[in-house]
This record gives sequence, C-alpha cells and structure tokens, in this order.
Amino acid sequence: GESVGLHLPTLSVQEGDNSIINCAYSNSASDYFIWYKQESGKGPQFIIDIRSNMDKRQGQRVTVLLNKTVKHLSLQIAATQPGDSAVYFCAPITGGGNKLTFGTGTQLKVEL
Amino acid sequence: DTEVTQTPKHLVMGMTNKKSLKCEQHMGHRAMYWYKQKAKKPPELMFVYSYEKLSINESVPSRFSPECPNSSLLNLHLHALQPEDSALYLCASSQDRGRFEQYFGPGTRLTVT
Repeated sequence: GESVGLHLPTLSVQEGDNSIINCAYSNSASDYFIWYKQESGKGPQFIIDIRSNMDKRQGQRVTVLLNKTVKHLSLQIAATQPGDSAVYFCAPITGGGNKLTFGTGTQLKVEL
Repeated sequence: DTEVTQTPKHLVMGMTNKKSLKCEQHMGHRAMYWYKQKAKKPPELMFVYSYEKLSINESVPSRFSPECPNSSLLNLHLHALQPEDSALYLCASSQDRGRFEQYFGPGTRLTVT
C-alpha cells in the first residue's frame, strides 16, 4: 500500500512462474498510476503506467490492472525471470499533482 | 543517451565537513530532482528544479543546499550533516516537471560519521 512500513513485503516466485504484485491506494481522486522497479544498487526505473479511464494496460511481459472501486492496482509479470528480482513501487498520482510519491514497495525474489 | 550519472558513488563525511554530490544528464530534460532513500524505504522527494529554477523544496533542512548550474547539471551541497542523514541520495530527470516518467541515476551512498 501507500503507507510506509518498517518491513518490506516480500514475494518469492519460481523462475518461469507468473508474479502478481499488489498495491492499495487511499486517495479516490488518484487518476494516474505508475510502476517503478528498483534493482539492487540501482536507481528506480519506470516500467508502465495506467490512467484511471482504463482498467488494464499491457506492456512487454507486464500487465497492470486497475480496480478503482476498491482502490487497488496490481502488476503482473509473466514468465518471471531472475532479472525481475527487484523492489517494485507503485505511485498513485492525483490530478494536477506535481510530484512522485512512491508507495511502500514490494521485494520480488525469483528462485531458480 | 538515457543515462543519469551521479558522483561520487560512495561518500563518507564527518559532521563538520562540507561536500557536494553531483548529477548530470544529457537527455535535454528540463526538470531535475533530488530524492533521499533510507534502507528498505521508498525514495522521498527533496527538491525539484524546473528550467534551472528551484520549483519544489519539500521542507528540507538548510544543511542541504541544491544548485542547478545549467540544464544538464544538478548539485547537492552538504554541510554540518547529522548521522541520521546517512542514506542513498538519488538524482532524477524528466522531460519537464509535469512528467512522471523520470530517469534515475544509481545514487550516492552517503555515510555521516
């Protein structure tokens, strides 16, 4: 979710499986959502975005689903690879917002 | 070139030292950012520069002083820091201030002793 916690939620998946990373947001006025990936020792990297007038958007091996009713979005990674191991952050943006505010983050670990 | 570079990669400084972090991008981006990231936490915005002018200061203590000498460079001057300022300092850039697809550098790992 968006709140900052002391511990980073962790998702462990087997290589080749699909991964689903969840993000809950609190502001119903949020109308644009971004996912970033941060690998160990690197800065965050933009993955995919979605606007609130959509409920699904697909990229290369990634799909983002948005459920505005329950204020939830998810990032699905198909055929997870070792290179997908990283911390994934969602960032809900409110209309007219002028800054990027990252959610807590989820650590994805890919087991061989 | 879609790279944002940051120097140094690591920095150890005492509480009485003065040091500077440097960031450079050659993508023609007109917005540049400083973020602070503590271990196992998300990056937190510190400053935003738009067209070389300070646009946002997230109530950052004055011991952190940003500077944007030109459209490609962003500095963060450090003076009289505290041990709790130890963190990863990330620089980012975007095409302009309203764009949220930001390109991040690898960061400077700062330790204040």
